[in-house]
Amino acid sequence: GAGVSQSPRYKVAKRGQDVALRCDPISGHVSLFWYQQALGQGPEFLTYFQNEAQLDKSGLPSDRFFAERPEGSVSTLKIQRTQQEDSAVYLCASSHSGGTLEQFFGPGTRLTVL
Amino acid sequence: DAKTTQPNSMESNEEEPVHLPCNHSTISGTDYIHWYRQLPSQGPEYVIHGLTSNVNNRMASLAIAEDRKSSTLILHRATLRDAAVYYCILRDKGTYKYIFGTGTRLKVLA
Repeated sequence: GAGVSQSPRYKVAKRGQDVALRCDPISGHVSLFWYQQALGQGPEFLTYFQNEAQLDKSGLPSDRFFAERPEGSVSTLKIQRTQQEDSAVYLCASSHSGGTLEQFFGPGTRLTVL
Repeated sequence: DAKTTQPNSMESNEEEPVHLPCNHSTISGTDYIHWYRQLPSQGPEYVIHGLTSNVNNRMASLAIAEDRKSSTLILHRATLRDAAVYYCILRDKGTYKYIFGTGTRLKVLA
């Protein structure tokens, strides 16, 4: 398909487990964003990539959260030693540019930490 | 952080216009105002954005106050498919951090 895809769509983890969430952006899109959306809240910015460079990681809540985009296309968000407060929908978005252009969002990965 | 303020919820009748307000009194001179909407169980989707002048596209219109401290998203004829949470968004100055806020939940009545 031509849109942003994310996998898995749902993930259940036991507290303390590590998880990896994948994002496949639209082909050719330079910019990639990760957001966290808690239940009933708006998305909150986590991090931003321009190609393979992580230019802004100011939204990552702790050093347990790590994101990478090694070849400038697919990105992975990794959460180590998951905790219950990490339960949320994790959204990925891509765009041609990090400026004013439209962001295209994926469907998200719903993470539940038990 | 850049901050926007929106009503928590609004209702509209089908086929009628809807005006969704947003206050952004801390906006800087070069910040664009973005609007996205999120349907249930989906990722947000782009609606419109603008800087100073009013903007129109196939989905909506955006009216921006002269002092840029507020804006209004206008859906000209609401349909049941427009029921969603609408977010007015600014980018934090000097960063790539887009601030969504809690948005306005729009309910469209048949």
